[in-house]
Amino acid sequence: AQSVAQPEDQVNVAEGNPLTVKCTYSVSGNPYLFWYVQYPNRGLQFLLKYITGDNLVKGSYGFEAEFNKSQTSFHLKKPSALVSDSALYFCAVRDILGLTGRRALTFGSGTRLQVQP
Amino acid sequence: DAMVIQNPRYQVTQFGKPVTLSCSQTLNHNVMYWYQQKSSQAPKLLFHYYDKDFNNEADTPDNFQSRRPNTSFCFLDIRSPGLGDAAMYLCATSRKPGQGDTEAFFGQGTRLTVV
Repeated sequence: AQSVAQPEDQVNVAEGNPLTVKCTYSVSGNPYLFWYVQYPNRGLQFLLKYITGDNLVKGSYGFEAEFNKSQTSFHLKKPSALVSDSALYFCAVRDILGLTGRRALTFGSGTRLQVQP
Repeated sequence: DAMVIQNPRYQVTQFGKPVTLSCSQTLNHNVMYWYQQKSSQAPKLLFHYYDKDFNNEADTPDNFQSRRPNTSFCFLDIRSPGLGDAAMYLCATSRKPGQGDTEAFFGQGTRLTVV
């Protein structure tokens, strides 16, 4: 089965500083990778995805992610953090479901980003 | 705007009393999913519909059932909620593979409390 790991439970960064939220993956075949953000008591909002093409993917709210095949990583980045970026971030891989061959998202454990004023 | 809508946002139910959560979508997506999320943990897939084809995850308890009467609506039924079923329930949709966007679109979730 495919999997994704987020090694940091929490990331703290000062407002205005760059931020990185780490994600590594394990897949057989070509990876479909995603980042989602979740605010308290809300659903998940799609930020960006990597399917194919350029390794640097740009998404919503100024976020970007870099796909690195050799390191099997897909880290989320932003050049200048905002207090409003404080939320829970999930990395996900599109996983194959059992014998059906269908696909659904399998999520990492999540990383809480705290941006201090 | 096209979207995924879950009702209610907050649901309180009694231990053992059946409860139904609903999800509707205006995206006309073929695939609908139900995820369970506890305490800011990773969402866990319960089951999904591929059109009318229901697919249960192997470790989803029998207590959880689902119905999809048409493309737009999907329901999650919990037959006898236990205290351990208190969680955020997330509905999501996506297109069939090969039909464009590959990401899933999520509703705002229903937070279920069992008393």
